[in-house]
Amino acid sequence: DAGITQSPRHKVTETGTPVTLRCHQTENHRYMYWYRQDPGHGLRLIHYSYGVKDTDKGEVSDGYSVSRSKTEDFLLTLESATSSQTSVYFCAISEGQGHTGELFFGEGSRLTVL
Amino acid sequence: SQKIEQNSEALNIQEGKTATLTCNYTNYSPAYLQWYRQDPGRGPVFLLLIRENEKEKRKERLKVTFDTTLKQSLFHITASQPADSATYLCALDSYNQGGKLIFGQGTELSVKP
Repeated sequence: DAGITQSPRHKVTETGTPVTLRCHQTENHRYMYWYRQDPGHGLRLIHYSYGVKDTDKGEVSDGYSVSRSKTEDFLLTLESATSSQTSVYFCAISEGQGHTGELFFGEGSRLTVL
Repeated sequence: SQKIEQNSEALNIQEGKTATLTCNYTNYSPAYLQWYRQDPGRGPVFLLLIRENEKEKRKERLKVTFDTTLKQSLFHITASQPADSATYLCALDSYNQGGKLIFGQGTELSVKP
């Protein structure tokens, strides 16, 4: 199994509170991604990173920020959580984007915002 | 608008039969297409990748076809087993999406003994 660890795996929080999800990899892969998965919408890309300190937005980036200060860690932050951000969040990594890039996913972080 | 569509209805088949799942897309120019398997409560797992210049790809009991004229990929599992029961996701890496993977919603497959 690819060495990807997400933390926390489960979190319940209240509207308006900040939340940070962590993705840690031991594969030294260049690309890291955050997706959210919701019924009826499938997997949607939030943000991705193509190197340390290099990040870009995905299709549903509003309300989220990311940081990558080390190759192995990619943090997803909800500055002020809303109920619409209740979801399962998946981190993924790939060795090469695009034509070489199969994704390896973590086990997911289930976030509930009350 | 751009769409990736998989059959939202669950597919129920008998053990030993061939399961065929469909992935259709519109307004994308895919460089390749991938298929993933997802079990409940788990992250997706990569199965197969097929490039735009490939018609067919096989891996053990799995076969994927890719028709860029029809804008469709078919995913086949032959001699299906109850252990094949899962949700299957297709994903496009499209030139006009900057290389990012765009996923379909997935089709749930249930194989009955």
